[in-house]
Amino acid sequence: KAGVTQTPRYLIKTRGQQVTLSCSPISGHRSVSWYQQTPGQGLQFLFEYFSETQRNKGNFPGRFSGRQFSNSRSEMNVSTLELGDSALYLCASSLRDSGWTEAFFGQGTRLTVV
Amino acid sequence: QQQVKQSPQSLIVQKGGISIINCAYENTAFDYFPWYQQFPGKGPALLIAIRPDVSEKKEGRFTISFNKSAKQFSLHIMDSQPGDSATYFCAASKGDKIIFGKGTRLHILP
Repeated sequence: KAGVTQTPRYLIKTRGQQVTLSCSPISGHRSVSWYQQTPGQGLQFLFEYFSETQRNKGNFPGRFSGRQFSNSRSEMNVSTLELGDSALYLCASSLRDSGWTEAFFGQGTRLTVV
Repeated sequence: QQQVKQSPQSLIVQKGGISIINCAYENTAFDYFPWYQQFPGKGPALLIAIRPDVSEKKEGRFTISFNKSAKQFSLHIMDSQPGDSATYFCAASKGDKIIFGKGTRLHILP
């Protein structure tokens, strides 16, 4: 059974640009959550999608957005990049149709903003 | 009310020793407490989890101790090995919400 796949693994972008990250969940998983991981702040929740609908949202500015497709694949977009957006972006998938079940994380996308 | 406080931030333990990481939560509604282990270049992976109806759960060398009245839980790694060197995250969850601690970087000296 394939795990959670995130692409690309590494990205370097310039301030002001936008970026799109992709996450393919484990087959059968309908919930995809996105996290930002930085050394100082740990894992910060961005948002969760379930069956193409955003179900939860963290405290991030509107520059951070996402969507989920009918096949459960999800994309995250960050517009007008800032230096502080440099981080490891992780997505996690789970069955999670009600309550918390085990979440499986991808290896992440390392975004560097210069 | 939504915070999970994790300590220490970093920990160095001799091979064969016991590693102890502590977490405290505020929201008594949390009902699922997982621990995740993350190696460099990898995403976090579920290590062990506990629900508040038990005070302890053991899986191999890893044990979670849970104190409901104090709203604290901890991870104990017995006979710590260099391969245990990683970042550990505790978390607390209720329904579809999960809050992570800030992580503990554990280094086991050979």
